[in-house]
Amino acid sequence: ETGVTQTPRHLVMGMTNKKSLKCEQHLGHNAMYWYKQSAKKPLELMFVYNFKEQTENNSVPSRFSPECPNSSHLFLHLHTLQPEDSALYLCASSQLDGFANTGELFFGEGSRLTVL
Amino acid sequence: GQNIDQPTEMTATEGAIVQINCTYQTSGFNGLFWYQQHAGEAPTFLSYNVLDGLEEKGRFSSFLSRSKGYSYLLLKELQMKDSASYLCANMDSNYQLIWGAGTKLIIKP
Repeated sequence: ETGVTQTPRHLVMGMTNKKSLKCEQHLGHNAMYWYKQSAKKPLELMFVYNFKEQTENNSVPSRFSPECPNSSHLFLHLHTLQPEDSALYLCASSQLDGFANTGELFFGEGSRLTVL
Repeated sequence: GQNIDQPTEMTATEGAIVQINCTYQTSGFNGLFWYQQHAGEAPTFLSYNVLDGLEEKGRFSSFLSRSKGYSYLLLKELQMKDSASYLCANMDSNYQLIWGAGTKLIIKP
């Protein structure tokens, strides 16, 4: 139990569907992240929210849309995805030191996404 | 460019010692991190080095040489539960983590 909860754990969707991934952290942290993890590839940072404000968008396609309504919740809205988007999507949180990332991230167990 | 290299897979014997190496080339340096990820589970933080030398934490130690762009994770008295992937990550000048692809460690009895 890492204090970061992700739902759903597994999701299968067609290319025309719209779905959302949800992340909630119970650690009182002020930064939250979305990562993509594909087999045998490095973790890919997708989005960063510091103090609820988006500070990073690493050239992620617009079919992925993040939402951070408050410092404890983070969503990833998905629409018209492609089969190559199938992966494990990890949410993480951390406590910033000032405005700097300390590097100690607390991850959720991920949402395994399969796009048919 | 930014690059983190670590072996894809390693095998070791229960009770033995294993060293997992990581080399990095990134824009800026603000620390070298190791995470452990068991299959189907969340990555968890193991260690952090910002100065050269060895940091020991129980059975696990992490070493850093900034001049060589090199780190290793040393696991002693291996246990079956140490079977996992070990992720090396460097924090760049923007305070973002640049990750390696991970080393899958297989422990055999």
